Amino acid sequence: GENVEQHPSTLSVQEGDSAVIKCTYSDSASNYFPWYKQELGKRPQLIIDIRSNVGEKKDQRIAVTLNKTAKHFSLHITETQPEDSAVYFCAANKGYGQNFVFGPGTRLSVLP
Amino acid sequence: GAVVSQHPSRVICKSGTSVKIECRSLDFQATTMFWYRQFPKQSLMLMATSNEGSKATYEQGVEKDKFLINHASLTLSTLTVTSAHPEDSSFYICSASGADYGYTFGSGTRLTVV
Repeated sequence: GENVEQHPSTLSVQEGDSAVIKCTYSDSASNYFPWYKQELGKRPQLIIDIRSNVGEKKDQRIAVTLNKTAKHFSLHITETQPEDSAVYFCAANKGYGQNFVFGPGTRLSVLP
Repeated sequence: GAVVSQHPSRVICKSGTSVKIECRSLDFQATTMFWYRQFPKQSLMLMATSNEGSKATYEQGVEKDKFLINHASLTLSTLTVTSAHPEDSSFYICSASGADYGYTFGSGTRLTVV
């Protein structure tokens, strides 16, 4: 079955710096890779996603890259702000309508 | 956009009682609902997948008789934690899937069993 690994588990950056979180997956059938941000006690919120027919996607300060051959995808946050502090989860599905497998999460702290 | 409503947001119950959690898709038809559990400082773990009108498919290690899932309509799925014990205390989140790749999460339910 699908296995999703995520690194680092914790990440601290200075406000204004960039943050990068990397995930790898094992199932070559996975074709949809969302990233979620979860603040303490709240639901995960989708922040960006990428499908397998695209190599990169950007939305303002957030970008995601996908390398299907290597089976890894990364989240890039530029010009970080304190409100970016949260736990970020990557996920991979198994195809249309299939459930997600989530990575273990990365706790990002943006220091003022 | 797609909205999923989950209730209650918090519940405290006594050990041995049952708790029902509702998950409603407000503006789309959810053909598939997923139920996740999240323990403190851990990731989301899939408990079960339910398709409207069918029996839920449970992940390995999840007791189907303890976690009853009903998906009787395209807009409502319920998770009932029966005979709850303190170790069942967790954050339970539903996710609904419609006609596209889109998955929308409910707001989550924090269950505390005392």
